[in-house]
Amino acid sequence: DSGVTQTPKHLITATGQRVTLRCSPRSGDLSVYWYQQSLDQGLQFLIQYYNGEERAKGNILERFSAQQFPDLHSELNLSSLELGDSALYFCASSVGDPSYEQYFGPGTRLTVT
Amino acid sequence: AQKVTQAQTEISVVEKEDVTLDCVYETRDTTYYLFWYKQPPSGELVFLIRRNSFDEQNEISGRYSWNFQKSTSSFNFTITASQVVDSAVYFCALSEPTSYGKLTFGQGTILTVHP
Repeated sequence: DSGVTQTPKHLITATGQRVTLRCSPRSGDLSVYWYQQSLDQGLQFLIQYYNGEERAKGNILERFSAQQFPDLHSELNLSSLELGDSALYFCASSVGDPSYEQYFGPGTRLTVT
Repeated sequence: AQKVTQAQTEISVVEKEDVTLDCVYETRDTTYYLFWYKQPPSGELVFLIRRNSFDEQNEISGRYSWNFQKSTSSFNFTITASQVVDSAVYFCALSEPTSYGKLTFGQGTILTVHP
């Protein structure tokens, strides 16, 4: 158990809908990262927050947004969902220094039908 | 731009064989960090090791060992006396301070260990 929690574990929804994925980092970690894992794209970095502020953005679509709250949990919002958004979404946390390893949550498997 | 290449898509071995997973990286930074993660069939990503660019010492942890060679930009992972429980997808990853630590992953190597 990495200490990072993600909910829900599975999500099935229809095209055009909006969903929210939730992540709680390990105790003491200030940084949260979101990654998407799909068969065609592999593991891709989406966005990073550090202590409530956005720090880095990767290949994140405009339909996607995220935030980190004062209690350090984070949410990833995906809207106007398309079939191609079906993937495994991981949250990871670290102390915030790039030299430190990231610990990953169990992931949320999103299926868009 | 940073890039990680794991040329071996799939490897199949019989239990007790040694197996080496290759990882080649590209970066313009002189300071960077390399990682290996394991993704078992259950799906979670498990951290295995971190290595910084200034430390070229090889590392051994039980049956696992890592060989870091800056001259060839490689960070290879060897499992000695493989076991069925080692069956998983293994990812090599790179991060740079200038990118705030975001991980760039290789494509992954699927390792299957047969009894």
